[in-house]
Amino acid sequence: DAKTTQPPSMDCAEGRAANLPCNHSTISGNEYVYWYRQIHSQGPQYIIHGLKNNETNEMASLIITEDRKSSTLILPHATLRDTAVYYCIVRAFISNFGNEKLTFGTGTRLTIIP
Amino acid sequence: DTEVTQTPKHLVMGMTNKKSLKCEQHMGHRAMYWYKQKAKKPPELMFVYSYEKLSINESVPSRFSPECPNSSLLNLHLHALQPEDSALYLCASSQVGEGMGGTQYFGPGTRLLVL
Repeated sequence: DAKTTQPPSMDCAEGRAANLPCNHSTISGNEYVYWYRQIHSQGPQYIIHGLKNNETNEMASLIITEDRKSSTLILPHATLRDTAVYYCIVRAFISNFGNEKLTFGTGTRLTIIP
Repeated sequence: DTEVTQTPKHLVMGMTNKKSLKCEQHMGHRAMYWYKQKAKKPPELMFVYSYEKLSINESVPSRFSPECPNSSLLNLHLHALQPEDSALYLCASSQVGEGMGGTQYFGPGTRLLVL
């Protein structure tokens, strides 16, 4: 899987949009970008994923650059409950039989400031 | 519903004990995973089961023994662990056979302390 680079930490004011960047310059054509977050001592929570196009769901938006070498996760109106470690993962499809793994990087620790 | 449950939530065991961690999902997923997470580190894959068969073992020591008795259950049997095995053990599950294998959904984890 391609490696990802994320800033180790970020702060964002409550109610503002949180924009979390991720570089994945070695991404291949069949590799998806996934975002998970992990609130302290809980299991990772799936947020969103995408291949080429921008994606939006009830939690967040994912903006992928045209060359696919970087992406940004946007939390539109951050709340204190969004304080967590956010992981950007590039995941390759290996087979139809679940032979895959998520390789987590060190992630970004996002702190929402009241 | 995207719930994966894990029991127990916390476990303390001695180095000579035998214990088991349990994971359950009722989403019809046919791939299940064990990850290990040390303090302040990202999760690391240990095992992958696909259609109840072990498909990936990330060179995990034999004192960790996984078992998938049916498509909804995943166990991790622990024996003769070391203090350095203390960690958060995470279970996940996903669909298979849908092109990308499906999004992995994680349980809350079991926090293990080996004394």
